[in-house]
Amino acid sequence: EDQVTQSPEALRLQEGESSSLNCSYTVSGLRGLFWYRQDPGKGPEFLFTLYSAGEEKEKERLKATLTKKESFLHITAPKPEDSATYLCAVQAGYGGATNKLIFGTGTLLAVQP
Amino acid sequence: EPEVTQTPSHQVTQMGQEVILRCVPISNHLYFYWYRQILGQKVEFLVSFYNNEISEKSEIFDDQFSVERPDGSNFTLKIRSTKLEDSAMYFCASWDWNTEAFFGQGTRLTVV
Repeated sequence: EDQVTQSPEALRLQEGESSSLNCSYTVSGLRGLFWYRQDPGKGPEFLFTLYSAGEEKEKERLKATLTKKESFLHITAPKPEDSATYLCAVQAGYGGATNKLIFGTGTLLAVQP
Repeated sequence: EPEVTQTPSHQVTQMGQEVILRCVPISNHLYFYWYRQILGQKVEFLVSFYNNEISEKSEIFDDQFSVERPDGSNFTLKIRSTKLEDSAMYFCASWDWNTEAFFGQGTRLTVV
């Protein structure tokens, strides 16, 4: 069964204190791994898609990496506005499959000034 | 930037009533989805829709649920007889090959 596990469940950082969030997955035929940011009461906001092991993508203070079993979201020198829940999702299958996303439970990040 | 639009943002309904949640996906996308998120829980897949038919549905998507694309732009989720446990945020998403999966801002459904 396809599964996504995120850790930690919650993370509290001081402003400027870098850290990483983990997303481990088991899926039959990974098409893509997605990172989203979700603010309270809002929809998931797209951050990155990674398609193959070794791939890395960056956006401002965020950097996502992918291996065959897990992905990391590295946050460098975070600011209070980075506080949100970060969701990881996998998309399995190719051609003819529905390409649905399977989500983890998320990591709630709080960055204190 | 393209966006997925959902209406209403909040719907309160009595148990047993029918509700229709509406979505306008991104115009050139071909795959449409509904997900839901019960408060404090993970985002869960409900149904996918492609080429004017359901391509996959989850166990949650029972006979009380239906989806429709009545015209070229709208995508709707209908719950025929709402239950208390249907209270959740419902997200519409659209996707196409070589693009990101975009989500709407959600409809908060409260069943009383």
